[in-house]
Amino acid sequence: AAGVIQSPRHLIKEKRETATLKCYPIPRHDTVYWYQQGPGQDPQFLISFYEKMQSDKGSIPDRFSAQQFSDYHSELNMSSLELGDSALYFCASSTRTGNNEQFFGPGTRLTVL
Amino acid sequence: AQSVTQPDIHITVSEGASLELRCNYSYGATPYLFWYVQSPGQGLQLLLKYFSGDTLVQGIKGFEAEFKRSQSSFKQRKPSVHWSDAAEYFCAVAKPGYNTDKLIFGTGTRLQVFP
Repeated sequence: AAGVIQSPRHLIKEKRETATLKCYPIPRHDTVYWYQQGPGQDPQFLISFYEKMQSDKGSIPDRFSAQQFSDYHSELNMSSLELGDSALYFCASSTRTGNNEQFFGPGTRLTVL
Repeated sequence: AQSVTQPDIHITVSEGASLELRCNYSYGATPYLFWYVQSPGQGLQLLLKYFSGDTLVQGIKGFEAEFKRSQSSFKQRKPSVHWSDAAEYFCAVAKPGYNTDKLIFGTGTRLQVFP
C-alpha cells in the first residue's frame, strides 16, 4: 500500500540558509500534518492543512511557513535557519473519514551547521 | 492543559518476558488514544488506537492496550517480548470527533530487550 512520502530524507544546511521540505500524502488523504522532533524529544505539532486550507497551528516559528497544493502535497519552508532547527521533521496524512488516524512518513532529518 | 505522561523513560526486559508500558493523560473529555512505535532513525508506526467501545483493544505485532477512564490511563501490554520490539514507544491523544486534530505526544518510553 502507498505510504506518505517525504523528500529529501536528509538535508544539511548552514545557519541563516533556507530549506524546503516536501510531503506527498497517501492518495485520497485530504489532511496533512507537520511535526518536529528534536533529539531525544517527542514529536511536536507544527501546522496542519485540510483541503489546502490551514486547519490548525502549533508551535511553529514565524520563520517557517507551509502550504498545501491542489494535488494535496505540502511543503514546509524554513528560512533564517538556526542551530536549534536541527531535528527530524515528520509529515503525516489522514482522511476525515478515518477517525483521525494519522499515517506518518519516514521523516526528513535536517541538520543545521 | 492537555498533556500525556509516560512515567517510564527507559525499560529493560529479557526476550520472552512480558511487557507493560504506562500512559496517563490529562484532557477535558475522553480523547482518542494511540500508541506509536519508532525504531531508531525511523518514522512512527501506529500500534494501537482507542476511539470508543470495548476498553481492551488489539493492535499489531501482538500488542494490546486497555483503556481505564477512571484512571485516565491507556496501558499497553505484550505477553512475550521479541528482540525486534526494541524501540521508542509514544502514547498520544487527539480531540475526539474532530478528524483533523493534532496529536499530542508523551515523552516516550525507550524499550531495551536483552537476549
